[in-house]
Amino acid sequence: QKEVEQDPGPLSVPEGAIVSLNCTYSNSAFQYFMWYRQYSRKGPELLMYTYSSGNKEDGRFTAQVDKSSKYISLFIRDSQPSDSATYLCAMSRTGANNLFFGTGTRLTVIP
Amino acid sequence: EAQVTQNPRYLITVTGKKLTVTCSQNMNHEYMSWYRQDPGLGLRQIYYSMNVEVTDKGDVPEGYKVSRKEKRNFPLILESPSPNQTSLYFCASSLRAGEETQYFGPGTRLLVL
Repeated sequence: QKEVEQDPGPLSVPEGAIVSLNCTYSNSAFQYFMWYRQYSRKGPELLMYTYSSGNKEDGRFTAQVDKSSKYISLFIRDSQPSDSATYLCAMSRTGANNLFFGTGTRLTVIP
Repeated sequence: EAQVTQNPRYLITVTGKKLTVTCSQNMNHEYMSWYRQDPGLGLRQIYYSMNVEVTDKGDVPEGYKVSRKEKRNFPLILESPSPNQTSLYFCASSLRAGEETQYFGPGTRLLVL
């Protein structure tokens, strides 16, 4: 069983839709949860960071962590064509080092 | 501009021919690491370095070497590349280990024939 599971998609939505991206994990020791965005032919860039359980909001993006269910989510409101990218979840016991990544979900927002 | 750079960006080589992928950061970061990205497997850590002269294995270190002689540089060495090392490689850095933000380089696409 992989440490982190993520539906690879692809996911296509119309502009303005609410997007929900999800990951599940098996290691209860994970404390740090991140979402990265990766545009085609680019390196990943950190989008959201959450420590332990709870919600975090940043503009149109909301990250949720449910440690009891070992489940994390990223919501994108009012999605834009510029949001078209691959979204990677990542988690760790000890912070930004020794990250375990999901395989990524490819999202396309159609104008 | 604060950035992580990698060279080369694209490389085609043959089995057994030693190669080095360079990584450099201009942010005075202590922590640097190498990942490989493969379809269906995601990003996996190869090696990391907490500071100059301090390196350690990640999840998939077999067939790779690294060195950290200077703070800004962290080259990845493939002494005898094999086709299963065909992959997309990313270097990343952060201010310190445990820092929430890792900055990734643009990637090096390697094909080993």
